[in-house]
Amino acid sequence: DARVTQTPRHKVTEMGQEVTMRCQPILGHNTVFWYRQTMMQGLELLAYFRNRAPLDDSGMPKDRFSAEMPDATLATLKIQPSEPRDSAVYFCASGLMANQPQHFGDGTRLSIL
Amino acid sequence: AQSVTQLGSHVSVSEGALVLLRCNYSSSVPPYLFWYVQYPNQGLQLLLKYTSAATLVKGINGFEAEFKKSETSFHLTKPSAHMSDAAEYFCAVSGGSGTYKYIFGTGTRLKVLA
Repeated sequence: DARVTQTPRHKVTEMGQEVTMRCQPILGHNTVFWYRQTMMQGLELLAYFRNRAPLDDSGMPKDRFSAEMPDATLATLKIQPSEPRDSAVYFCASGLMANQPQHFGDGTRLSIL
Repeated sequence: AQSVTQLGSHVSVSEGALVLLRCNYSSSVPPYLFWYVQYPNQGLQLLLKYTSAATLVKGINGFEAEFKKSETSFHLTKPSAHMSDAAEYFCAVSGGSGTYKYIFGTGTRLKVLA
């Protein structure tokens, strides 16, 4: 089965450090989503791309977060500088069309000390 | 604007009993609706989807959901709960024309009692 692959699965780092999370979408999927999940806020959409172009990043704190798609097989989410409140599970998902399901990776569990 | 409401953040059922997880949506356009399941330390997995074909949708693991336009509901059911069904369940509505975003509900954690 085709899967969305996220790396790393776990990341622990100190406040102020740069964090980069990577996502390999399912081959052929042209829409990529970044979500953040916390106990308090639930599942939040941070940003999404269509054909590698950012369509909506309104859910993302602009001062410290950035998302890119260097090519069709790689999406990245960066936090610089990181803060303890960024601790969460970050999910990447990919899809094709609005009426088709999004496919989720297993997430990156991020802890900022 | 689209929205999704899941009634009950926690639901407990006995093994073998009926599972009913509620989802109500709001949409100004014909919606696409989805149910996902999340097991601990995993991503969300698709259970089933409604995309304007049959109103009764069958999914994986014995789950099904019925789209009721008049009630703006898309409740998830399973006739007989199994211990392995314990997980968190999310209902989602597609954002409509011109957007690929989902609006997710806040989730319902299902507990299955032996």
